[in-house]
Amino acid sequence: GAGVSQSPSNKVTEKGKDVELRCDPISGHTALYWYRQRLGQGLEFLIYFQGNSAPDKSGLPSDRFSAERTGESVSTLTIQRTQQEDSAVYLCASSWTAQETQYFGPGTRLLVL
Amino acid sequence: RKEVEQDPGPFNVPEGATVAFNCTYSNSASQSFFWYRQDCRKEPKLLMSVYSSGNEDGRFTAQLNRASQYISLLIRDSKLSDSATYLCVVNNVGSYIPTFGRGTSLIVHP
Repeated sequence: GAGVSQSPSNKVTEKGKDVELRCDPISGHTALYWYRQRLGQGLEFLIYFQGNSAPDKSGLPSDRFSAERTGESVSTLTIQRTQQEDSAVYLCASSWTAQETQYFGPGTRLLVL
Repeated sequence: RKEVEQDPGPFNVPEGATVAFNCTYSNSASQSFFWYRQDCRKEPKLLMSVYSSGNEDGRFTAQLNRASQYISLLIRDSKLSDSATYLCVVNNVGSYIPTFGRGTSLIVHP
């Protein structure tokens, strides 16, 4: 079946612009995670969605970052007024429920000039 | 102390060698464990889950040592294609946010 998909695969933007990243999880997966991975670094948790429960936003680095998820489907991560330090790969992962195997999308490579 | 620690490496080994990585975790309430593989500029992919009794999948063997709070990954007969970063992932009781290690880099050379 289809895996996790993300779009765009690459995004180059100018400092100060807003960007929106999209994630389509595996159908039926109730848990969805966003991570950030800077070059040569580990995965940094950003936000977690579980079904219709309130998301865990504890990993969002600033109020410029926000995310939404429609039910148990698509999620979007929005970064407002992008900064150069936002340059990274943004990875989305989904799983049947929390604590189960996570399946990652290919990521969006964001470059802020 | 970091919650999940891995030796970043790189481990440079010749083809055919056996190599082992450890991953230590600090929370004794950790309850599920995984090894993921991440190729350069790619997303992490599940390599194997780690069970209390240990598990083996072909050339790969994973072990859990709860007393010493570490998990291990053993790769036998290394192939060039095994070159990647291996990530340790730990889930704690009551938490739905997994903790990823920084990864161990493996380079298998001819």
